[in-house]
This record gives sequence, C-alpha cells and structure tokens, in this order.
Amino acid sequence: RKEVEQDPGPFNVPEGATVAFNCTYSNSASQSFFWYRQDCRKEPKLLMSVYSSGNEDGRFTAQLNRASQYISLLIRDSKLSDSATYLCVGQGSSYKLIFGSGTRLLVRP
Amino acid sequence: DAGVIQSPRHEVTEMGQEVTLRCKPISGHDYLFWYRQTMMRGLELLIYFNNNVPIDDSGMPEDRFSAKMPNASFSTLKIQPSEPRDSAVYFCASSYTGGNTEAFFGQGTRLTVV
Repeated sequence: RKEVEQDPGPFNVPEGATVAFNCTYSNSASQSFFWYRQDCRKEPKLLMSVYSSGNEDGRFTAQLNRASQYISLLIRDSKLSDSATYLCVGQGSSYKLIFGSGTRLLVRP
Repeated sequence: DAGVIQSPRHEVTEMGQEVTLRCKPISGHDYLFWYRQTMMRGLELLIYFNNNVPIDDSGMPEDRFSAKMPNASFSTLKIQPSEPRDSAVYFCASSYTGGNTEAFFGQGTRLTVV
C-alpha cells in the first residue's frame, strides 16, 4: 500500500462547479501535509499547506482529519485555469516529503 | 534567486550508457530531494540530503543509481548503466527547514533511454 493515496480521476467539471478531492495517508507519524499543483509537463508547485483546524485561501479550502487519516481539498467556483493535477503530500519529522500520485482535474467551459 | 536549476532539460541516451543529471538548489536551502516521475508510478522519492549528507536512499531503485552532494550548491544523480525502464522525468527539489519547509522544484530532466 502506498503511503499517500489519491483517486487519480480525472474529475471533469463545468466552470463554476465545486469539486472536492480526498487523500488518505497510512503513516500516522506524518506531521505536516500539503497540496501541490502540477500543470502538464511542468514541475509541482505548492498550492497550500493543510492544518488540523482547516485553512482557506480564496476559493480553496484544505482540511486535515488526523483520526481518519485523510486530507481534503475543496475548490469552489472552478475556473478553466484550475485544470491541473493536484498532489497530496505528507511530511514526517525527518522532513521526508511523500507525494501521492495526484488527482487530475479538467474544468470545461 | 533563479530557483532550483537542473541540467540537462532533456537527455536521450542509448541503453548501457552512463547518464548524469545535475541540480543546483536554492542558495541557503538545507534539504535536497531527488524524485522520479512516471505515468505508472507517479512521483517517487529516490534520495534526499540534509546539509549535503544523504539521509534516506531507500527509494533508489538499484545499484545502478547513485547520488552525491559534494557541496551545498550542487548535486548529481548518476545512472550507470542506463536501461529503457529508467525513462522518466527526474526532478530535484530543495527546501529550508527554518522557513515553512515548502519544497521548490526544478523544471526537471526528461530522460529517454532507447
């Protein structure tokens, strides 16, 4: 079993839709979590960190549920420019970053 | 800062040849990561360094792969001999533990072994 697992998608949604991704992790020692975004044929870039209390950045909301060992990302009012692959990332005390395989999002006009 | 710099951007080589990938991390960053990305397996962590010292190389697929970090501003990933199944995009990333630990990625090296 992979340490960080995601539904690969693709999620195909119309502009303006709300879409949610989930991610599960198996290592309970993981301390920090992130969502990265990767555009086609580009490098991954940090989208946002994930905190137990939940955090919001504009149209994006991230949540962490330690009891159930899952992380979520909610995107409201989807834009065409949101089309990308979203990578869930776990980090342990040793700063080792483990990436999920990513969830692909396609936003259509 | 120019960000993480990787070279070459593209590499096509014949099976059996030695391949060397290079990475220059962001100045001041104390962690450096090497990842491999394929459609089938996603982003796999190969090895990472802290202050130039290898911390965990358990992701290195086999003895054909080796990585070094002779100083804080340079790292190499070497494959010898290369095989077609090594074809992938190889990313280098660096981070600074004194900050928010965000990992910054280079643009990657697209390796094709024929």
